[in-house]
Amino acid sequence: DTAVSQTPKYLVTQMGNDKSIKCEQNLGHDTMYWYKQDSKKFLKIMFSYNNKELIINETVPNRFSPKSPDKAHLNLHINSLELGDSAVYFCASSHVSRFGAFFGQGTRLTVV
Amino acid sequence: AQSVSQHNHHVILSEAASLELGCNYSYGGTVNLFWYVQYPGQHLQLLLKYFSGDPLVKGIKGFEAEFIKSKFSFNLRKPSVQWSDTAEYFCAVNARNGATNKLIFGTGTLLAVQP
Repeated sequence: DTAVSQTPKYLVTQMGNDKSIKCEQNLGHDTMYWYKQDSKKFLKIMFSYNNKELIINETVPNRFSPKSPDKAHLNLHINSLELGDSAVYFCASSHVSRFGAFFGQGTRLTVV
Repeated sequence: AQSVSQHNHHVILSEAASLELGCNYSYGGTVNLFWYVQYPGQHLQLLLKYFSGDPLVKGIKGFEAEFIKSKFSFNLRKPSVQWSDTAEYFCAVNARNGATNKLIFGTGTLLAVQP
């Protein structure tokens, strides 16, 4: 069983479209994250949810909206996609009292 | 603000050579430190982690790292690399503040091992 799974793995879309990336973890963790990895492989946290509550919201355009329907899911919705949004987006999870995180396989988003 | 620096952006080694990748962090409080590896086209995997205790930590695949508090460093080492170690390596610091628990990553070091 995959611990942290994301769908889709690849996403190619046109500028201006709205798209969603889904993430699910079966580890029983209470904290989930979205990280963005740019073309230079730099990783930066975007959001963090703990027990469905948003606890970290880095400087991210408000076109990005995370949604956590329950502890095991954290979806990322992106409105009005721009070329600069092209990146690999990683979902991750951890237990708040145990450090480190397990990462999903990543979603490679390409905006054309 | 917390930050992590990896000074080696690209390292090329021959098989059986020894490896040391540098990592320095900037954070005033108690830190938890990690090394992650990202094989080509794959996701991040945890290599090893330091929380407390023995500053020399051993991870998977023969990797180890040493936490030197006075130098704010957490360098990754492996005595003898293999071609399969070719990957991107990321050092990370866990910035823990109350309920927040986020990883701050370095810019990564691309290791290429030549057979």
